[in-house]
Amino acid sequence: DSGVTQTPKHLITATGQRVTLRCSPRSGDLSVYWYQQSLDQGLQFLIQYYNGEERAKGNILERFSAQQFPDLHSELNLSSLELGDSALYFCASSGHNEQFFGPGTRLTVL
Amino acid sequence: AQSVTQPDIHITVSEGASLELRCNYSYGATPYLFWYVQSPGQGLQLLLKYFSGDTLVQGIKGFEAEFKRSQSSFNLRKPSVHWSDAAEYFCAVVAPHLTGGGNKLTFGTGTQLKVEL
Repeated sequence: DSGVTQTPKHLITATGQRVTLRCSPRSGDLSVYWYQQSLDQGLQFLIQYYNGEERAKGNILERFSAQQFPDLHSELNLSSLELGDSALYFCASSGHNEQFFGPGTRLTVL
Repeated sequence: AQSVTQPDIHITVSEGASLELRCNYSYGATPYLFWYVQSPGQGLQLLLKYFSGDTLVQGIKGFEAEFKRSQSSFNLRKPSVHWSDAAEYFCAVVAPHLTGGGNKLTFGTGTQLKVEL
């Protein structure tokens, strides 16, 4: 158990819909990262937050947004969903240079 | 931008045999280097990491990796593979001096390990 929790574990929705993925980092970690894992793109970095502020951005679509709250949990919002957004979404947290991953949320868009 | 290459998509070894998974990176300086393992339906577990110093690093589950600057490589090894090692293995780098890059991980495409009994 990495200490990083993600909810929900599975999410099935329809095209055009909006979903929110939630992540709670390890106790004491200030950084939260979001990654997407898909068959065609592999593991890709989406966005990083540090203590509530956006720190770095990767190949995150404009339809996707994230935030980190004062209690350090983070949410990834995906809107106007398309079939190609079906993937495993991971959250990771770090205190220094190591990242610890949550179990992921598997999103299926039908 | 930094990149990671794992040239072997699939590897099959017999239980008890030795294992080496290859990883090459491209970056202007020495990055931070990591190996993660992902079992089916599971998240990513950190096996080992290299930041600086001794180029041979030991990790969990009997794995080790050697950083070779001249070859831009960070290959993962295990002297005797167990059936439970069957999983997907990812090499990843962090470019610590990249402006605006945060500490994002850049992953290779992964190597799927199959263990024959």
